[in-house]
Amino acid sequence: EAQVTQNPRYLITVTGKKLTVTCSQNMNHEYMSWYRQDPGLGLRQIYYSMNVEVTDKGDVPEGYKVSRKEKRNFPLILESPSPNQTSLYFCASSLYTSNQPQHFGDGTRLSIL
Amino acid sequence: DAKTTQPPSMDCAEGRAANLPCNHSTISGNEYVYWYRQIHSQGPQYIIHGLKNNETNEMASLIITEDRKSSTLILPHATLRDTAVYYCIVNAGGTSYGKLTFGQGTILTVHP
Repeated sequence: EAQVTQNPRYLITVTGKKLTVTCSQNMNHEYMSWYRQDPGLGLRQIYYSMNVEVTDKGDVPEGYKVSRKEKRNFPLILESPSPNQTSLYFCASSLYTSNQPQHFGDGTRLSIL
Repeated sequence: DAKTTQPPSMDCAEGRAANLPCNHSTISGNEYVYWYRQIHSQGPQYIIHGLKNNETNEMASLIITEDRKSSTLILPHATLRDTAVYYCIVNAGGTSYGKLTFGQGTILTVHP
């Protein structure tokens, strides 16, 4: 089954403790992206990747890192999480950037205390 | 990307057609109209997209006006499981580096 898989689905952690949210897709998609969703602010793009070893900042990249060493994986790294990064996170992928539907994961709910 | 305007909420009876409007009066010639929906806090789900012709797939139909300034998503026989937030997005594809700009969307409630 074609899917985007995120792990973990839920995480409660403390300020400053490094964490990684993994994202994997099995559709051989070139494009992958991370969004965060906050009440009243909608979904905002954090980082995106157009292919292996090609990543770039979205609208709200501060406090996040990403890497794209393999086509299928696009982990989101919070080196020193802070409470303002408490949010619902979604990973998405598409075949290319041009006019292709994006497939989203089921989300990761992070709470930073 | 062009801005879109959608009604904040709509109701529909189960089994009836749900017609969700979207205004995108500043759309550019190379921008597509996309529809996604989000059920509760699940990941957004792609529904349909189009440039200027009407489109239909197994989920819905998309009607785009001739001047492309507005569109309507039609769910032909709404079910309770179609209750969700529906987002209309206009996107230029490669020139926007794949970023989807989600607005507030329309909360569609399908009732028995």
